[in-house]
Amino acid sequence: GAVVSQHPSRVICKSGTSVKIECRSLDFQATTMFWYRQFPKQSLMLMATSNEGSKATYEQGVEKDKFLINHASLTLSTLTVTSAHPEDSSFYICSASAGSFAGYTFGSGTRLTVV
Amino acid sequence: GNSVTQMEGPVTLSEEAFLTINCTYTATGYPSLFWYVQYPGEGLQLLLKATKADDKGSNKGFEATYRKETTSFHLEKGSVQVSDSAVYFCALLKAAGNKLTFGGGTRVLVKP
Repeated sequence: GAVVSQHPSRVICKSGTSVKIECRSLDFQATTMFWYRQFPKQSLMLMATSNEGSKATYEQGVEKDKFLINHASLTLSTLTVTSAHPEDSSFYICSASAGSFAGYTFGSGTRLTVV
Repeated sequence: GNSVTQMEGPVTLSEEAFLTINCTYTATGYPSLFWYVQYPGEGLQLLLKATKADDKGSNKGFEATYRKETTSFHLEKGSVQVSDSAVYFCALLKAAGNKLTFGGGTRVLVKP
């Protein structure tokens, strides 16, 4: 079945630094990728939608300059948290779609801790 | 707009008990409906889906039927195991490539 690989699974960084999270579709071409943020014991909050080769569409309230999304190929999307602060600590999850009604495949998530 | 409402948890059950998690939705037309499961510290896994009215999705002993008349997609399992302890999310999709709309998630804890 479709597999999405997300790395790293955990990362700790110092306040003010930037962190890059990768999301790769391993056995299919992902025309659309989604990035979510999940707070403890809460549902997923969609941050942005990215289509290969075009700029990401951010949800209201999400700072595009802080959360940089790149979808340079049909198999790779990256989320860079710039100038991270402790309040950016969260669980980030990507998902990918090949463009069908079959549903989306999710990555295993990245636990970001900013100290 | 589209929305998904599911019962709040946590739901605590004993092993071999019957599980039901209610899910209702609001959407125009005929969305596809999904149940995802999230185990601790992991991403989401697709559990089952239904793409049209009266379809029944099933997987690993779980079932859910797409009920257009009641706009519902309740998840059921006849006999839960400790390994079923997880958070379950109901979701809908209006069109291919669009974003999923998630319910708030229901935490299920199965005790031996």
